[in-house]
Amino acid sequence: SQTIHQWPATLVQPVGSPLSLECTVEGTSNPNLYWYRQAAGRGLQLLFYSVGIGQISSEVPQNLSASRPQDRQFILSSKKLLLSDSGFYLCAWSVQGRTPGTIYFGEGSWLTVV
Amino acid sequence: AQSVTQLGSHVSVSEGALVLLRCNYSSSVPPYLFWYVQYPNQGLQLLLKYTSAATLVKGINGFEAEFKKSETSFHLTKPSAHMSDAAEYFCAVRGSRQLTFGSGTQLTVLP
Repeated sequence: SQTIHQWPATLVQPVGSPLSLECTVEGTSNPNLYWYRQAAGRGLQLLFYSVGIGQISSEVPQNLSASRPQDRQFILSSKKLLLSDSGFYLCAWSVQGRTPGTIYFGEGSWLTVV
Repeated sequence: AQSVTQLGSHVSVSEGALVLLRCNYSSSVPPYLFWYVQYPNQGLQLLLKYTSAATLVKGINGFEAEFKKSETSFHLTKPSAHMSDAAEYFCAVRGSRQLTFGSGTQLTVLP
């Protein structure tokens, strides 16, 4: 069966510091990968979407970037965090080419920027 | 563009009572609709999904949802609420690339 792992689970970082959140999927190959953010009192917002290694689509302009160095690895990064980057970040995956592709979520990472 | 609207950001029910969480969608094409549940400090778990095979969809934990095209609705129900059902519930519509979520409904179950 497929599983998705995301870490760290919680993170407290000062403003201006870098960020790296990592996500890996097991039990499948060539998945679609996603990063969503859930800010306090707001819904879920898609940040990045990837259909393959090195192929990243950014859905909203922001202070964050994403990379996919391996087929089942998805990394969310920032060079300098802002207070507004605080939130709950969710990595997700779906089977490519399937309609509709159900999206499955990881356990999430709480980021607090102080 | 596709969108979903969840009516009621907070819903409270007594244990054993009917749970009804409302979701209306907007889509120019036949939609694929989903309900997810999020327990505190956890990721989202798929409850059920509508993929046009049957209008009444049964999911996990005793939940079900009915797709009504005439009402553009996909409301989530459970006949008898349990304390463990307390969580936030999200309705979502699947687009070509992603899920678009509603703003969520926080369900409180009262003893």
